[in-house]
Amino acid sequence: DTAVSQTPKYLVTQMGNDKSIKCEQNLGHDTMYWYKQDSKKFLKIMFSYNNKELIINETVPNRFSPKSPDKAHLNLHINSLELGDSAVYFCASSQQRTRTGAGELFFGEGSRLTVL
Amino acid sequence: KNQVEQSPQSLIILEGKNCTLQCNYTVSPFSNLRWYKQDTGRGPVSLTIMTFSENTKSNGRYTATLDADTKQSSLHITASQLSDSASYICVVIPYSSASKIIFGSGTRLSIRP
Repeated sequence: DTAVSQTPKYLVTQMGNDKSIKCEQNLGHDTMYWYKQDSKKFLKIMFSYNNKELIINETVPNRFSPKSPDKAHLNLHINSLELGDSAVYFCASSQQRTRTGAGELFFGEGSRLTVL
Repeated sequence: KNQVEQSPQSLIILEGKNCTLQCNYTVSPFSNLRWYKQDTGRGPVSLTIMTFSENTKSNGRYTATLDADTKQSSLHITASQLSDSASYICVVIPYSSASKIIFGSGTRLSIRP
């Protein structure tokens, strides 16, 4: 009954390959996110989708392409992987707007990507 | 300079002791400030959420405080347990853009038996 689940948990691949990370949430939230956590442990927003619509697209290379088939899923596809893409990628979801602002964020367990 | 700075970067204390983690932010205005706990190899989990008008919020042995005048927040952990070993991340939600959540880099806390 995991609230936000992402797969795979670990991904080791060669430079130049294309890979995808999948994310699903069963909380009924209307907003989903992709974050990248680098070696210094900063969490940085990459993309945010609200009801399948892209609302945040931070400055990430266009090799990264999010896809939201429905509001419970947000997948991340990465083309032509580079060494610097190695990181932990977290999916998260929330209700977009509550009385106190953005709803509480629920994170997945993370997907550790290692590019060799 | 990050808009959310945390200190110390890392901290080691003995089991049973108390500790306080600091968060200084420049984000203004903001709608709420949050503390998350991230266990090694796991995703962050919410501990407390405070609106800009709240001064304190407790969650068991965790107590967060907020001083909007000095733009500081602290997370106090009492009677630490081995399971408290984790990274603690301060997060600020700007009022202007609820989706552009700003994370601190976290404090790595280690509890020794």
